[in-house]
Amino acid sequence: DAGITQSPRHKVTETGTPVTLRCHQTENHRYMYWYRQDPGHGLRLIHYSYGVKDTDKGEVSDGYSVSRSKTEDFLLTLESATSSQTSVYFCAISEGRGHQETQYFGPGTRLLVL
Amino acid sequence: GDSVTQMEGPVTLSEEAFLTINCTYTATGYPSLFWYVQYPGEGLQLLLKATKADDKGSNKGFEATYRKETTSFHLEKGSVQVSDSAVYFCALSDRYGGSQGNLIFGKGTKLSVKP
Repeated sequence: DAGITQSPRHKVTETGTPVTLRCHQTENHRYMYWYRQDPGHGLRLIHYSYGVKDTDKGEVSDGYSVSRSKTEDFLLTLESATSSQTSVYFCAISEGRGHQETQYFGPGTRLLVL
Repeated sequence: GDSVTQMEGPVTLSEEAFLTINCTYTATGYPSLFWYVQYPGEGLQLLLKATKADDKGSNKGFEATYRKETTSFHLEKGSVQVSDSAVYFCALSDRYGGSQGNLIFGKGTKLSVKP
């Protein structure tokens, strides 16, 4: 257990509304990640963070923004949700260094955009 | 860029059957390789990993060997149980190569084990 929680765990929202998902970790990990999981695509990286206020884009970042104002929290925001953003969102942290680096995942947030 | 290809499912086996899920990769550097498992309704759990060529990762009766010559990391288990029913993901990470430490996933293989 890497001490990762995500909130909310489930959310239903309407197209055009803003949505913020929260990832919280308790073990002071430097690296944090947001992925989305869709059938037939596996998991794809949205954004990641390598420190407070240090973030970068992943493979599928369009329509998403992130913020990390403190080590323990990494927020994912959908500024104006669309139906194509219906997905399961996973947060992850990274432990170890170099080739021993390993990512551990939170329980996920299931988002439905109507 | 870096990529992972794993066999498409679903895979259906009887209890106590032998399991192989194929995984091959392409990478610009020297990646670490992972298998993650996702049980129904849950998040991803690390199943096993290998960090260099010829390393064997193992956990819960599952094994996978890092084969650099064939760029493969096939998952095997000698005798599956109903409780092994899940989706299995192969992934790679290379902090100093193309993925820059980010995980690159295969699309997942759904395994169903029948009693």
